[in-house]
Amino acid sequence: SQTIHQWPATLVQPVGSPLSLECTVEGTSNPNLYWYRQAAGRGLQLLFYSVGIGQISSEVPQNLSASRPQDRQFILSSKKLLLSDSGFYLCAWSVGSLVGEQYFGPGTRLTVT
Amino acid sequence: QQQVKQSPQSLIVQKGGISIINCAYENTAFDYFPWYQQFPGKGPALLIAIRPDVSEKKEGRFTISFNKSAKQFSLHIMDSQPGDSATYFCAAVRTGTYKYIFGTGTRLKVLA
Repeated sequence: SQTIHQWPATLVQPVGSPLSLECTVEGTSNPNLYWYRQAAGRGLQLLFYSVGIGQISSEVPQNLSASRPQDRQFILSSKKLLLSDSGFYLCAWSVGSLVGEQYFGPGTRLTVT
Repeated sequence: QQQVKQSPQSLIVQKGGISIINCAYENTAFDYFPWYQQFPGKGPALLIAIRPDVSEKKEGRFTISFNKSAKQFSLHIMDSQPGDSATYFCAAVRTGTYKYIFGTGTRLKVLA
């Protein structure tokens, strides 16, 4: 069966510090991968998605970036965090070009102080 | 045209009652409509989904009703239980775009 991992689960970082969040998927190959951000009590904002290694589509211009160094690994980064980067970061995956189920990871709670 | 409008924003239902959440879309190219359930501090979990070639899909106490002509779909939770208290998101997606368009969410509270 497929599983998705995210780490860390929680993170407290000062303004201006770098960020690296990691997501890995097990049990499937060539997944479509996604990063979402969810502000407290709010909806899901799509940040990045990737349909293959090295292929990254950005949805929101900001100080975040994403990379996909391996087939089932997706990394969200920032060189300098802003207070507005605080939120709940969710990784998700789906399979194939025909649209279907999308599954979310457990999330990372980021607080920028 | 890419938006999915979800209502209500919050909902309170008595135990045993029916919870109804509605979503509307504009883009007729959408061809997959999932619903997600999210508990506080957890990632959303896929609950049930429907494609536009059927008007209704039922899984246990959860039913999706789909009205293609009205471009609306809704989630019905029968015999609502306190354990159903969560935030529910509808979504819509078009084959080939890879992008899931989410509604703004409905916070459901089921009173014991």
